[in-house]
Amino acid sequence: DAGITQSPRHKVTETGTPVTLRCHQTENHRYMYWYRQDPGHGLRLIHYSYGVKDTDKGEVSDGYSVSRSKTEDFLLTLESATSSQTSVYFCAIKPRGEAGNTIYFGEGSWLTVV
Amino acid sequence: TQLLEQSPQFLSIQEGENLTVYCNSSSVFSSLQWYRQEPGEGPVLLVTVVTGGEVKKLKRLTFQFGDARKDSSLHITAAQPGDTGLYLCAGVKGSQGNLIFGKGTKLSVKP
Repeated sequence: DAGITQSPRHKVTETGTPVTLRCHQTENHRYMYWYRQDPGHGLRLIHYSYGVKDTDKGEVSDGYSVSRSKTEDFLLTLESATSSQTSVYFCAIKPRGEAGNTIYFGEGSWLTVV
Repeated sequence: TQLLEQSPQFLSIQEGENLTVYCNSSSVFSSLQWYRQEPGEGPVLLVTVVTGGEVKKLKRLTFQFGDARKDSSLHITAAQPGDTGLYLCAGVKGSQGNLIFGKGTKLSVKP
């Protein structure tokens, strides 16, 4: 158990609406990540954070924004959802001192944009 | 271009058989991770290998990191239905140390 809670776990939304996914951690980890997972593409990094108010873009950041106003919460926002953003979204954390930059995942948020 | 290539993409075997899954790259990695993911769940870490030539065993699973640190393999002995899942390899890319993932090998072990 990585101590990560993602919410909502499942959501259906309409094209053009804003959506925010929340990742909550209880163990004060500095690094947090948002990945999306799609058939044929695998897991791809959207954004990551290396501290409060410190965030940076990943491989597939277009159409997404993030915020981290406190250590325990990392929010992923789709300002205007599109069908191409239908996916499974995983939050992850990187504990300090782990060998090889190992990260641990939450259970995922399934988002469908109709 | 996929930085980490996994093969095979799909594997369906009978219980008791042995299998090997490969993770290959033209790039050198400081470490590689293997994860297993079951439907509807997040990936779960199996192992991290950090030294070229390293071999790690986890019960019936044997992980090897290539001498040149460009590839890794996962060997499962006497596969069981509980081994069914998506196996992902991942390596560190970039100065921030972010992980990139292969597309995975989907394993099905039939009783």
